[in-house]
Amino acid sequence: EAQVTQNPRYLITVTGKKLTVTCSQNMNHEYMSWYRQDPGLGLRQIYYSMNVEVTDKGDVPEGYKVSRKEKRNFPLILESPSPNQTSLYFCASSGDGRPFYEQYFGPGTRLTVT
Amino acid sequence: SQQGEEDPQALSIQEGENATMNCSYKTSINNLQWYRQNSGRGLVHLILIRSNEREKHSGRLRVTLDTSKKSSSLLITASRAADTASYFCATDALWETSGSRLTFGEGTQLTVNP
Repeated sequence: EAQVTQNPRYLITVTGKKLTVTCSQNMNHEYMSWYRQDPGLGLRQIYYSMNVEVTDKGDVPEGYKVSRKEKRNFPLILESPSPNQTSLYFCASSGDGRPFYEQYFGPGTRLTVT
Repeated sequence: SQQGEEDPQALSIQEGENATMNCSYKTSINNLQWYRQNSGRGLVHLILIRSNEREKHSGRLRVTLDTSKKSSSLLITASRAADTASYFCATDALWETSGSRLTFGEGTQLTVNP
């Protein structure tokens, strides 16, 4: 089954404790992206990757890091999480190397930073 | 900057009625997409309409695009309780030649009452 998986689905952590949210897709998609969703603000793009070893900032990259060492994986790293990073996070992928076309979303990771 | 903005923010109708949601955007686009999100879950792609198209259908969905007014509408006909969800429009700005950015609106929450 074609899908985007994220882990963990739920995470409660404390300020400053480094964490990684994994994202994996099995559709051989070149384009992958991370979004955060907050009430009243909609979905905002954090980082995206056009292909392996190619990443770039989205609208809200501060406090986040990403890497794209393999085509299927695109982890999101919070080196020193803060309470304002409490949010619902989505990973997405798209074929054809661009988001012009249909994006497939993961199920989401609900992160709480206390 | 926010590209797509949906209107209304919330819509409540009875089963069997039609639901219309609107999206306005600010800059010229390559295409516009509509997504659906069930509460707390990942977004699911519904339909994509290109900038040179004016109308598109998919099952009970009808999407129109008016590039002169920078607006789009999503019509769901003969709504069902299972259509209850949030609906988002997403655009990629024409000036983004790298094709890297997809900007989402804040969504319309549709409630279909049985």
